[in-house]
Amino acid sequence: KQEVTQIPAALSVPEGENLVLNCSFTDSAIYNLQWFRQDPGKGLTSLLLIQSSQREQTSGRLNASLDKSSGRSTLYIAASQPGDSATYLCAVRIGYGQNFVFGPGTRLSVLP
Amino acid sequence: GAGVSQTPSNKVTEKGKYVELRCDPISGHTALYWYRQSLGQGPEFLIYFQGTGAADDSGLPNDRFFAVRPEGSVSTLKIQRTERGDSAVYLCASSQGLEGWNEQFFGPGTRLTVL
Repeated sequence: KQEVTQIPAALSVPEGENLVLNCSFTDSAIYNLQWFRQDPGKGLTSLLLIQSSQREQTSGRLNASLDKSSGRSTLYIAASQPGDSATYLCAVRIGYGQNFVFGPGTRLSVLP
Repeated sequence: GAGVSQTPSNKVTEKGKYVELRCDPISGHTALYWYRQSLGQGPEFLIYFQGTGAADDSGLPNDRFFAVRPEGSVSTLKIQRTERGDSAVYLCASSQGLEGWNEQFFGPGTRLTVL
């Protein structure tokens, strides 16, 4: 059974810092991995989708990497801003038609 | 175009009552997923549809939960004899198809509170 973990559970940083969020999964046979952002009381906003054949994806100040063989992904946020404060979730898709298996999330606070 | 929409945004009910939660997927998306998110946790899979049929309902916690998608677009998640433990945010997502490379787009969720 696929399990997804995220470290740290919570992170507080001053504005302007670069930071890394970690995601680990137990079964490397995944179709893709997606990073989401969730603001309090809101739904999920997709940030980056990495297909199993890809190593990384970039969007603006965000960069996500994928190492399938080791079961890891990292989300790098450059020059963090208070508006980046949210919970960040990673999720892996495990097969054709399959649902996502989500991690518990990392709660990020960027202090002005 | 419009994204995934869910109604109601909030639902408060009493223990033992019946509730229906609605999801309107992105037009043309054939795959539809339901997830449940408890406080402080990531979403957990409930059921997904390809077209009108439930392709996988293995995540439904028990037979009080049921979902339909009669015309292959709008879906309704139905919960009978609600219990306090059913309180959570129910999220719906849709994608163009079941192929693994398709991105899932999520709605804002319905927050269900069972008193």
